[in-house]
Amino acid sequence: QKEVEQNSGPLSVPEGAIASLNCTYSDRVSQSFFWYRQYSGKSPELIMSIYSNGDKEDGRFTAQLNKASQYVSLLIRDSQPSDSATYLCAVNFNAGNNRKLIWGLGTSLAVNP
Amino acid sequence: NAGVMQNPRHLVRRRGQEARLRCSPMKGHSHVYWYRQLPEEGLKFMVYLQKENIIDESGMPKERFSAEFPKEGPSILRIQQVVRGDSAAYFCASSATGGHTEAFFGQGTRLTVV
Repeated sequence: QKEVEQNSGPLSVPEGAIASLNCTYSDRVSQSFFWYRQYSGKSPELIMSIYSNGDKEDGRFTAQLNKASQYVSLLIRDSQPSDSATYLCAVNFNAGNNRKLIWGLGTSLAVNP
Repeated sequence: NAGVMQNPRHLVRRRGQEARLRCSPMKGHSHVYWYRQLPEEGLKFMVYLQKENIIDESGMPKERFSAEFPKEGPSILRIQQVVRGDSAAYFCASSATGGHTEAFFGQGTRLTVV
């Protein structure tokens, strides 16, 4: 059973702190990993994509990928109240002739002023 | 630089009616994905289409639901004889290349069945 797992939270951090969001996946051959942010009542918004082991930084966001341990994480530095949202992890699995994007249920983040 | 456009944003249908949801992908994107999301639940993949072809419909209910992406015009998700359980947010996403690579979402259509 291919799946993506995230802690549902809520994860609560004070403003200015580092928020750490984790995601584990079951398929060793997955190659593409994505983090989306979804505000309540809105559509998912792509934040980061990562394809290689290691870190990838974009502004206050850093994605970390460890294929050997099958996890991908998202760090948000200097967290702001506007970062309060649900963060969705998506992993690209191979499924026969098609690749399929499997989604976690999301982690709810609350940044407290 | 229009993103993914979905319409209508809100749709109310009575039980037994048909719902038609439209999605125009981003310019240059030929791959379209439809998802359904219930309140407090995750995104559920429904169908993946490329122009004139259904690539993967493994997430779509076998009855009452259909999707198309014609050569010209938007992708359409059709739900026939709607029931209350169809009430949800339906999101469309598009990507430039296939295989569920970086995909960008529209604002969604919120379907309410009364």
